[in-house]
Amino acid sequence: TQLLEQSPQFLSIQEGENLTVYCNSSSVFSSLQWYRQEPGEGPVLLVTVVTGGEVKKLKRLTFQFGDARKDSSLHITAAQPGDTGLYLCAGDRSGGATNKLIFGTGTLLAVQP
Amino acid sequence: ETGVTQSPTHLIKTRGQQVTLRCSSQSGHNTVSWYQQALGQGPQFIFQYYREEENGRGNFPPRFSGLQFPNYSSELNVNALELDDSALYLCASSQGGRNQPQHFGDGTRLSIL
Repeated sequence: TQLLEQSPQFLSIQEGENLTVYCNSSSVFSSLQWYRQEPGEGPVLLVTVVTGGEVKKLKRLTFQFGDARKDSSLHITAAQPGDTGLYLCAGDRSGGATNKLIFGTGTLLAVQP
Repeated sequence: ETGVTQSPTHLIKTRGQQVTLRCSSQSGHNTVSWYQQALGQGPQFIFQYYREEENGRGNFPPRFSGLQFPNYSSELNVNALELDDSALYLCASSQGGRNQPQHFGDGTRLSIL
């Protein structure tokens, strides 16, 4: 059972376009993290959102955590070829000292110049 | 600040063999988590180590085991390797506790023949 579903799975767009990636679950998370992963490398943390309804911006990337802390979205404005990669959302459901991450299925983004 | 480093980067084994993968955590981090990432999928949580003890485990059989050392580095051991164990094995370190961001190494690519 996949707790976190991401959509779309694949996205190929032209440079300058906008896009939104969705991360949905029926479970509540104490926080949600977004990562970007390039071939041959490990995931690189982009942002952590903790509070329901929270919005964080990182240059052209806007992240939102759902009010119920079950879903999140990543919006990229004016995409560039350097944005190409696998985008992963990961929810933290653990308690106490364990922060076990549940990863989504991933969204593979290709931005064509 | 030294990031998370993993060794080796690539490894080829045959079915039934045993393997040990190594991870050095980022300075200041006392918690190490291991993940398995199959091709085209998001990482799956294997287990986490905190202060040299296992502190949470995912849905992996006992032939997946680990260690954490006093300097917070860690090993992942897999016995009786199976073809399905072919994957990218990722190590992530953090300061432990809920909602703490996890920082990943570039992984070890394990291929089972």
